[in-house]
Amino acid sequence: TQLLEQSPQFLSIQEGENLTVYCNSSSVFSSLQWYRQEPGEGPVLLVTVVTGGEVKKLKRLTFQFGDARKDSSLHITAAQTGDTGLYLCAGGRNDYKLSFGAGTTVTVRA
Amino acid sequence: EAQVTQNPRYLITVTGKKLTVTCSQNMNHEYMSWYRQDPGLGLRQIYYSMNVEVTDKGDVPEGYKVSRKEKRNFPLILESPSPNQTSLYFCASSPRTGVSNQPQHFGDGTRLSIL
Repeated sequence: TQLLEQSPQFLSIQEGENLTVYCNSSSVFSSLQWYRQEPGEGPVLLVTVVTGGEVKKLKRLTFQFGDARKDSSLHITAAQTGDTGLYLCAGGRNDYKLSFGAGTTVTVRA
Repeated sequence: EAQVTQNPRYLITVTGKKLTVTCSQNMNHEYMSWYRQDPGLGLRQIYYSMNVEVTDKGDVPEGYKVSRKEKRNFPLILESPSPNQTSLYFCASSPRTGVSNQPQHFGDGTRLSIL
């Protein structure tokens, strides 16, 4: 059973559209990280959020950590083909372990 | 260049034949970890190490061993591989223990097929 549920599993949109990926859990996490992974490579960290209600922006990407620290979302504005990839959320359970969601495969069509 | 290096990148082998996947980082990181990635399941942590000679089980440690004799190296050992260990494996490191708020730096992965 996944501690972190990501939705949707797959997302295909046209360039210029907006998208949101969700990461939900019944557990409380000390922090939430978002990674992007491209084929043949390891995941690369996008952002870490640590405070309930925290919102971070990274250019066209907006990350939010739920008030109760059980959920998070990633919103991409005006998606570009370079945003295509597998997006993974990871919750910090304690100082030694991370639990990953199954991932959301995002395809941005030109 | 700061990196985590895994070898081999690809391996096809047979049930029961012991194998080792090496992992080396050049960033002087304290924390290292092994994950396996399977379709629909995301990354699951196998083992982690908080420093030299300190290792502990992750969520799916059965069938695996690790060692941390030097800070830079963290090999993953499959003493008697079985087909259910066919997977994509990633090694990762982070600067200090306290991993939940620190970036994990991942290698490029090792694809293992056990026949």
